[in-house]
Amino acid sequence: DGGITQSPKYLFRKEGQNVTLSCEQNLNHDAMYWYRQDPGQGLRLIYYSQIVNDFQKGDIAEGYSVSREKKESFPLTVTSAQKNPTAFYLCASSSILTSTDTQYFGPGTRLTVL
Amino acid sequence: AQKVTQAQTEISVVEKEDVTLDCVYETRDTTYYLFWYKQPPSGELVFLIRRNSFDEQNEISGRYSWNFQKSTSSFNFTITASQVVDSAVYFCALSEARDTGRRALTFGSGTRLQVQP
Repeated sequence: DGGITQSPKYLFRKEGQNVTLSCEQNLNHDAMYWYRQDPGQGLRLIYYSQIVNDFQKGDIAEGYSVSREKKESFPLTVTSAQKNPTAFYLCASSSILTSTDTQYFGPGTRLTVL
Repeated sequence: AQKVTQAQTEISVVEKEDVTLDCVYETRDTTYYLFWYKQPPSGELVFLIRRNSFDEQNEISGRYSWNFQKSTSSFNFTITASQVVDSAVYFCALSEARDTGRRALTFGSGTRLQVQP
C-alpha cells in the first residue's frame, strides 16, 4: 500500500536531549513537509523539501533540523535548542508534477518532554 | 498575507442533523487551491477535497457538500444527516502564494465537530 509512515507514534524526551522523528513515503512524491500542531491550533510549517539534498525553513524552524538524503525519507531532529517541543508532529508529502499542492499526511508522532 | 479563518471553534450536533463548517480565506493570488482535511481522534489528517479557484461549482460527495464563493472568499463544508463517525476536527487550508516559491499550505485553526448519538 502506498502511503506515509511516521515513527515512533509516541516519543518521550528528557530536557537537553536531541530526538529524531522518522518520516518515510512510498508515493514517489518529490516534496515533503514537517508541521507542528499544538492543542486547539492549526498546523504550522517547520521545514519543507522539494527535492533531494535541498530543504527550506518554514515559519517555525528554530530548534529543529532536517535532512533529505533520499527521496523517500525526511527525518526531523528536535534539538535541545527548541524551547517548547511538546507537540504533535505531522509529516506530509505532495507531487510537484501535478501542481495542485495536495498534501497527504502520515499518522503523526506525539512528542512529550519530561 | 495569506490567512484562513475558521471562526467556529467547536460545534455540537445530534446525529442526523445537518451541520455547516465555515471557512473564510485571504490571498493575493488569482490562482489558488482550497482544501478540507478531517482529523479524527487518531490524529492523521485525511484529505477530503481540493478546489481550484477557477471552479466555483458546488461539489457533493455522498453526505458531504462544499460551497465555494469567490465573491465572499468562503469555502464552506456541509455534512448532511451527520453521524457519530463524523466527529473529528476539520481543517480548511489554502495553497500558498506562488511568488513565495513555497508549496506549503496555510491552515485554519480547525473546527471540532462532536456528533452526539
